[in-house]
Amino acid sequence: GAGVSQSPSNKVTEKGKDVELRCDPISGHTALYWYRQSLGQGLEFLIYFQGNSAPDKSGLPSDRFSAERTGGSVSTLTIQRTQQEDSAVYLCASSLAGSQFSGNTIYFGEGSWLTVV
Amino acid sequence: AQKITQTQPGMFVQEKEAVTLDCTYDTSDPSYGLFWYKQPSSGEMIFLIYQGSYDQQNATEGRYSLNFQKARKSANLVISASQLGDSAMYFCAMREGPGGGADGLTFGKGTHLIIQP
Repeated sequence: GAGVSQSPSNKVTEKGKDVELRCDPISGHTALYWYRQSLGQGLEFLIYFQGNSAPDKSGLPSDRFSAERTGGSVSTLTIQRTQQEDSAVYLCASSLAGSQFSGNTIYFGEGSWLTVV
Repeated sequence: AQKITQTQPGMFVQEKEAVTLDCTYDTSDPSYGLFWYKQPSSGEMIFLIYQGSYDQQNATEGRYSLNFQKARKSANLVISASQLGDSAMYFCAMREGPGGGADGLTFGKGTHLIIQP
């Protein structure tokens, strides 16, 4: 498709289960970002990929969170042993490159709504 | 200290009036970019406008313009001739250089704009 695609769009899971969220960026975009938005809050930066590497993982809230990207395209965000406070919208975004010297716009997907019960 | 401050949690504006959404930022990096995004109730993040720190002119995109006052570290969004469809959350965001850490966007807490007929 033309935009950033995320799946699943909605996920309800039991506390303690693992979940995987998938992001398919815009074709040709080398930079990929994961954000989290809790109810009524702004966006919290989680992790950024340039190609397949993640220069900075410090935004991940705990070691239960991990992300990978293979082939410079699709990325998976994994949350292990989910907790109720993990309930949020997880937004993926992509851009042509991660350089601050360009005006490369970051385009967002529609998000994966995660509810942990 | 917050890097992006949006002081208006909510705003009511009459249809067809112009509206200004406030955003101030804090960075010591000379190179940065400022973004505005619109988030309707459906949840997706829609890019509106971008201003680079070295841009001499204020950015404009259709009915959107960015009032960039670098010395005051202010990047207010102006929407002219507001429409009912402009009702949404609006987020101001900043991207800093590598010295600022992860190459993602830092978001403000947002302003909930409601356009009244």
